[in-house]
Amino acid sequence: ILNVEQSPQSLHVQEGDSTNFTCSFPSSNFYALHWYRWETAKSPEALFVMTLNGDEKKKGRISATLNTKEGYSYLYIKGSQPEDSATYLCAFNSGANNLFFGTGTRLTVIP
Amino acid sequence: NAGVTQTPKFRVLKTGQSMTLLCAQDMNHEYMYWYRQDPGMGLRLIHYSVGEGTTAKGEVPDGYNVSRLKKQNFLLGLESAAPSQTSVYFCASSRLGQGSSGYTFGSGTRLTVV
Repeated sequence: ILNVEQSPQSLHVQEGDSTNFTCSFPSSNFYALHWYRWETAKSPEALFVMTLNGDEKKKGRISATLNTKEGYSYLYIKGSQPEDSATYLCAFNSGANNLFFGTGTRLTVIP
Repeated sequence: NAGVTQTPKFRVLKTGQSMTLLCAQDMNHEYMYWYRQDPGMGLRLIHYSVGEGTTAKGEVPDGYNVSRLKKQNFLLGLESAAPSQTSVYFCASSRLGQGSSGYTFGSGTRLTVV
């Protein structure tokens, strides 16, 4: 069992604000780090799969960075919109066929 | 394109009853997974399959069995349900293994064991 920690657990931001949250994972035996967006009453949807130290990925207003040496990844949302309200999950893979998921950061964007 | 379809969406079982959850994917993915989600915990892997006819144990396999007779289907069975198996169950599939590609998830099955 591997420990994947996400912070904060939840946050509320005003529409238009930019925000970021953190995923911490073991720095040894790193293979891949995933980010998922999970809207209420829907299923998790893959945002990014990151494999290289220093990786930066971007999808519209959402971007992510990866530091495998220190074991963390940041997810950034620029100019938050109400439709960004969701739980954001990260998941760590050490090379086996198992993703270890964090408990998520629940984002609420207030119009 | 349906993606990953889970049936049923909801079920209530009595302790000791059995049931099978069905997962079907139409993306020709080799890898399929069953996860459970419990309050305050991250998704935990129950069993997975790396291809038709194969299955393997995940993190929390006890009390569950699986089968992958056809590439597109992955079945999760509970032989004798226990209240501790009350959870939301998610099936997922991926094109590549070892976390190299993103997972596509089904919409979940909410199971209550009374």
